[in-house]
Amino acid sequence: NAGVMQNPRHLVRRRGQEARLRCSPMKGHSHVYWYRQLPEEGLKFMVYLQKENIIDESGMPKERFSAEFPKEGPSILRIQQVVRGDSAAYFCASSPSRADEQFFGPGTRLTVL
Amino acid sequence: GNSVTQMEGPVTLSEEAFLTINCTYTATGYPSLFWYVQYPGEGLQLLLKATKADDKGSNKGFEATYRKETTSFHLEKGSVQVSDSAVYFCALSGSSNAGNMLTFGGGTRLMVKP
Repeated sequence: NAGVMQNPRHLVRRRGQEARLRCSPMKGHSHVYWYRQLPEEGLKFMVYLQKENIIDESGMPKERFSAEFPKEGPSILRIQQVVRGDSAAYFCASSPSRADEQFFGPGTRLTVL
Repeated sequence: GNSVTQMEGPVTLSEEAFLTINCTYTATGYPSLFWYVQYPGEGLQLLLKATKADDKGSNKGFEATYRKETTSFHLEKGSVQVSDSAVYFCALSGSSNAGNMLTFGGGTRLMVKP
């Protein structure tokens, strides 16, 4: 059973461009969480999704950030008009149900030039 | 709200030394507690967990006991190895209608020298 997959692993964008980060949960997992890790800091919760629904986006910045988890395909975290402060590692985690353990992907390291 | 505080690093030890990384938390209700480990350039791996007071989680020689009276979940290992060098994160889960999102401490970098 493949683990949580994220791509790309590294992404470089210039200020003002868009960044799209993908997360494929483990097989059978319908719950996805996104976390952000700023340099030398812990992970901070961003958003929690189930298939086709955003359940909790209390950790998402109000502007430029959006997330989706369609019926088919991976979960997408989209950052529009990136700024240097968006440079971070973005991790997704999946679980088979709301109460179960979360399994983390390897992360996408975003660098904004 | 929920919060996790862990000792700042880096922690530098010689091989076979005893390790303690302190972690305390603030939470409503009865959260589950976790230790995750992150090796360079990789994602987080669950090291151990405890789901209720007085539970002891253990894995790969690491241990941590859920202490409700002191709101602590300190990580210990009797004899560290060079391969244990990594960043360790203490976390708690805040179960609610909105899910089971994790609240993390700031991480403690462990460096083990031969």
